[in-house]
Amino acid sequence: DTAVSQTPKYLVTQMGNDKSIKCEQNLGHDTMYWYKQDSKKFLKIMFSYNNKELIINETVPNRFSPKSPDKAHLNLHINSLELGDSAVYFCASSQGTSGYPSTDTQYFGPGTRLTVL
Amino acid sequence: AQSVTQLDSQVPVFEEAPVELRCNYSSSVSVYLFWYVQYPNQGLQLLLKYLSGSTLVKGINGFEAEFNKSQTSFHLRKPSVHISDTAEYFCAVTHFSGGYNKLIFGAGTRLAVHP
Repeated sequence: DTAVSQTPKYLVTQMGNDKSIKCEQNLGHDTMYWYKQDSKKFLKIMFSYNNKELIINETVPNRFSPKSPDKAHLNLHINSLELGDSAVYFCASSQGTSGYPSTDTQYFGPGTRLTVL
Repeated sequence: AQSVTQLDSQVPVFEEAPVELRCNYSSSVSVYLFWYVQYPNQGLQLLLKYLSGSTLVKGINGFEAEFNKSQTSFHLRKPSVHISDTAEYFCAVTHFSGGYNKLIFGAGTRLAVHP
């Protein structure tokens, strides 16, 4: 069984379009994340949700809107896609402890490679 | 604020040779440190982590890392690499702020193992 799954694996679209990426985890974790990995492999957190509540929102354009219908799912919707949005987007989850520094391992999905033409 | 520096962007090595991937961190507080590996076209998976206690941490696939507080380093080592170890390796530190956690990643080191 896949622990963290993402769909689609590849997404090719035109500038200006709106697209969504879905993520599901079956680990029973409380916290989920979205990361962006650029062409130089640099990995940066975008959002984090704990029990469906947004807890981390990095300086991401508001064209990016995460949605968590339940704690096992975290989707990412992107409006008005731009060339610079081309990247690999990773979803991750962890047991999720807040209030003190976390020792949790994060479990990553396989990634969604987004190409904006 | 915490940050992570991986000193080598690429490390080429021959099969069965030893390897060390270097990682330095900056933090004014106690840290939790991680090494993740990303095989081609896959997501990241945990190799090992340092939380407390023994400074030598053993991970999967024969990797180990040593936490050195005085040098603020957490270098990853393997005594004999295989072709299958070819991957991108990321060092990361837990950043705790405002009651919430996030991982701060280094820029990654590409390990290329040649026959």
